[in-house]
Amino acid sequence: AQSVTQPDIHITVSEGASLELRCNYSYGATPYLFWYVQSPGQGLQLLLKYFSGDTLVQGIKGFEAEFKRSQSSFNLRKPSVHWSDAAEYFCAVVPNNDMRFGAGTRLTVKP
Amino acid sequence: DGGITQSPKYLFRKEGQNVTLSCEQNLNHDAMYWYRQDPGQGLRLIYYSQIVNDFQKGDIAEGYSVSREKKESFPLTVTSAQKNPTAFYLCASNPGRKNTEAFFGQGTRLTVV
Repeated sequence: AQSVTQPDIHITVSEGASLELRCNYSYGATPYLFWYVQSPGQGLQLLLKYFSGDTLVQGIKGFEAEFKRSQSSFNLRKPSVHWSDAAEYFCAVVPNNDMRFGAGTRLTVKP
Repeated sequence: DGGITQSPKYLFRKEGQNVTLSCEQNLNHDAMYWYRQDPGQGLRLIYYSQIVNDFQKGDIAEGYSVSREKKESFPLTVTSAQKNPTAFYLCASNPGRKNTEAFFGQGTRLTVV
């Protein structure tokens, strides 16, 4: 079945440590790929997107993501996490005219 | 300011009653979406619309209905047929092209008692 998978439900990192959030998709062709962030009780904000070209994309707040076609992955990274990064992160794909999301990864940042 | 507005932020209803959630955008976007968010399940697509007077079912459309009579508005009705309606509902819009980001409202938390 076509899907978006975020294998990690909850991740805890120390402030200043590096971060990688995983995302895998299973669609026939390469869909358009996005990462969004959600603060509690709020809507979602776009961090970055990929649809063609350079497979390493830069986003807001120091985030980047790398598209790997061979692994059907679009993992989100940040070299040094700040306490304000604590939130829920969603990977999304647009395979056709719809927009599908993964289950999300909740990030906790330890002081 | 341009944006997407959902109202109300909190909504309480008795079991068996239909309830309509409002979603309005002034971004001139063609596409609009409704999602349901439950803990641990991410955002699940209920309905989406690419143009006025047309909409498609998403993955969990049963017990919900929508209309798209105006470009700016995409209301969602949660009917009494929805078995477990208590959830956080998010509305989104985008220009209708695949490579464009979606803009989200602040959500409506519906509680059915």
